[in-house]
Amino acid sequence: QVQLVQSGAEGKKPGSSVKVSCKASGGTFSSYEVSWVRQAPGQGLEWMGGINPMFGTANYAQKFQDRLTITADASSNTVYMELSSLRSDDTAVFYCAREVLVHYPAFGIWGQGTMVTVSS
Amino acid sequence: EFVLTQSPGTLSLSPGERATLSCRASQSVTSNYLAWYQQKPGQAPRLLIYGASTRATGIPDRFSGSGSGTDFTLTISRLEPEDFAVYYCQQYSRPPVTFGGGTKVEIK
Repeated sequence: QVQLVQSGAEGKKPGSSVKVSCKASGGTFSSYEVSWVRQAPGQGLEWMGGINPMFGTANYAQKFQDRLTITADASSNTVYMELSSLRSDDTAVFYCAREVLVHYPAFGIWGQGTMVTVSS
Repeated sequence: EFVLTQSPGTLSLSPGERATLSCRASQSVTSNYLAWYQQKPGQAPRLLIYGASTRATGIPDRFSGSGSGTDFTLTISRLEPEDFAVYYCQQYSRPPVTFGGGTKVEIK
């Protein structure tokens, strides 16, 4: 059973960047796309973008297009999310999530979440 | 962008009661590409239903999904203590993926 294991909590200054990792444990990503979902404190879920680790092709929500980079290292079964030009309202829990079926973006497996706090 | 509106915002019920949660889409959801998630405090969301009505692996049959077009429903037939949580709908009919604002099911 594949599990997604994310890197630990981060504290960042406004204007800096953060890079969060998501590693598949107990298996591989195979052909499944992996997405990143953001959740600000007390708020709902927001899809940021996704990538197919096998092909390395990423797609982004327009809101994050200019400052989000999602990459994958298939050899280590790891996907990365890098968000730049951080602002205080980027403070959130970031989740990686794998689709339940190939080419079917309902998210059946989730990482444990990574808290990113942006504060001066 | 596809907007999903969930109602009610909060549902106050007792264990054993039936819960009916609504998700309305701003446009028709093609191929019933709609999912439901449960989220408890401090935890990641858990997929309950996809394809509007297919239960995900390991989800009890007291959870059921229905609907088509723009109106979808998640029903919990008899609330168990562990079902009190926040529930989100999500569409993947048209990019970008979008989520509803959530319905909190709380103990009355």
